This record gives sequence, C-alpha cells and structure tokens, in this order.
Amino acid sequence: AQTVTQSQPEMSVQEAETVTLSCTYDTSESDYYLFWYKQPPSRQMILVIRQEAYKQQNATENRFSVNFQKAAKSFSLKISDSQLGDAAMYFCAYGRDSNNYQLIWGAGTKLIIKP
Amino acid sequence: DTGVSQNPRHKITKRGQNVTFRCDPISEHNRLYWYRQTLGQGPEFLTYFQNEAQLEKSRLLSDRFSAERPKGSFSTLEIQRTEQGDSAMYLCASSLGRGTYEQYFGPGTRLTVT
Repeated sequence: AQTVTQSQPEMSVQEAETVTLSCTYDTSESDYYLFWYKQPPSRQMILVIRQEAYKQQNATENRFSVNFQKAAKSFSLKISDSQLGDAAMYFCAYGRDSNNYQLIWGAGTKLIIKP
Repeated sequence: DTGVSQNPRHKITKRGQNVTFRCDPISEHNRLYWYRQTLGQGPEFLTYFQNEAQLEKSRLLSDRFSAERPKGSFSTLEIQRTEQGDSAMYLCASSLGRGTYEQYFGPGTRLTVT
C-alpha cells in the first residue's frame, strides 16, 4: 500500500527567508502524481504545486518549487522569500490515475512565519 | 463560479443520532471525493463518485456511513448512529475528470459528537 510521510510536524522561518519541507512516500507504481496542498487556519485546502512522476524536471510555481527524487521517493517543497501569508499547514499527497486520484496524504507540517 | 461549498460548516450532535452533510461541487466537475480529517492528521479518503456512480469506497468506512450523488450534482454524506470517534472534519473535493486531476476542496463540515 502507498504511504506518505512528513517527518517535520512543525517548521519556522523568518519572513523573506527560504524554507524546505520534506516528504517521502512509498509506492511500487511508476506512474503517479505528487502534490503539495496548503491549509491556512480555518480555511480550505488549496493546491500549491504538483509533479508528474514521469517528468524529470522539477515543478515550479512562482516562489514555490519542488525537489523530486524519484529513486529516493522524496518530494520536498521549497518556499522562497517566505511571506506571512504562507503560514499554514502543508500537506504532501500522492495520487494516480489508475486509482481515480483518490489522494493519500501525509500528516502535515505546520509552517510558522516569523516577522 | 463560487467553488465547492459544504453545509453545514459545523454540526454538534449527540452520540447515536444521525447526521447528514451536503457538498455542492463546482458545476462542471464530474468527479467528487469525500475525505475525513482528524485533528493533527492529513485527510483520509472515504469515497469517490464519477457523475452519479459511487465507484470507490474506503474499506475503512463503516457501514454506518453512506453517500449519494443523485443526478451527478450535489452529494450527501450520512452517518447513522454517530459515535464519538466520528468527530472530525469532513472534506469534499471535486475535479473535472480524466486528464485534469486537480481537486478543489470545500471548507469542510466539522462534526462534534458529544
């Protein structure tokens, strides 16, 4: 069975600095997708960035980028120039087309931004 | 389009009562998912609809839980004979379909069973 592990329950970063959130996963599949979602306090889950496993190039979305290491089954999220609005729970998730993209989630990392 | 909506946002019920939650997905989305999220944990998949057909149901889902999506539009999730362990946030998400896998989430319904 697929599993997703986020080993950092909480991370803090100074505003304008860079922070990296870790995620590892376990799967025997070769074709799948990985996601980072953000859940601000009392607000809904928002997709931050996604990565297709067949793509070697790491995905980037403005200040957000990933380091996808398929062989190591690692999928970290880097947030550059951290802003106060980035404070949230961040969840790593796994999904695949053959399983209708029902997402398997990590336990989340709480990101604190220090002004 | 106002996104995915869920009602009610909060529900407090006594153990043994039945509760029903509603999810209205984004109108053109044919896929709908229900997840459950307990405090300090990531969401857990409950069930999935493609249009009106319930195609997948988690083995973790007790038979006290039932979900419907009549006419492939809104969906309801009913919990019968609630237990304290059912206390959680129930999340609904929708997506457009094959080839477009991004799931858009609603704000969730927080259930407290006393």
